[in-house]
Amino acid sequence: DTAVSQTPKYLVTQMGNDKSIKCEQNLGHDTMYWYKQDSKKFLKIMFSYNNKELIINETVPNRFSPKSPDKAHLNLHINSLELGDSAVYFCASSLIPDTNYGYTFGSGTRLTVV
Amino acid sequence: QQQVKQSPQSLIVQKGGISIINCAYENTAFDYFPWYQQFPGKGPALLIAIRPDVSEKKEGRFTISFNKSAKQFSLHIMDSQPGDSATYFCAASISGNQFYFGTGTSLTVIP
Repeated sequence: DTAVSQTPKYLVTQMGNDKSIKCEQNLGHDTMYWYKQDSKKFLKIMFSYNNKELIINETVPNRFSPKSPDKAHLNLHINSLELGDSAVYFCASSLIPDTNYGYTFGSGTRLTVV
Repeated sequence: QQQVKQSPQSLIVQKGGISIINCAYENTAFDYFPWYQQFPGKGPALLIAIRPDVSEKKEGRFTISFNKSAKQFSLHIMDSQPGDSATYFCAASISGNQFYFGTGTSLTVIP
């Protein structure tokens, strides 16, 4: 199946822990993103990588660190987790330029910090 | 600040009715306006999109109306069905680079 897949789907962890979320796409896209969706469903971009290079780095705590080993993968590592980090994190990918310019989203990782 | 403003926050429509969701933007450099549909537990999925050189685009029961001078665009869902119940997001981008999303509209279609 061609898709954007992220793991794990659910993540429950204690405050202060370090965790990672992995994302992989097999669509041949060259740009990948991390979005955070809060409890009110607002989608906020966190990072964007194009061909392994960071191109968007919104104001997020430096406890969040993205890593792109190749253009098909973009992982998100979070240090010293806080209660406010609880949200759904979406990975997405796109091909720029592209006639559709659309994103393909993964199915999300629901992170709960207790 | 919010680059794309979306309303209403929630919408309840009778089956067979028309659902209308509105969005407005300020940045005239935006050149691509997609709508995404998100079901619970899933990621947003591209539904339909429009560029500012046309005023309307229709795909099945879904229509985007675009008013360039007013900097507004809207999604119309004709003959709304319970299966259309989802959260809808409008968005805008410049040449496919960073997308700015609206705040979402939770649509409930009641049988």
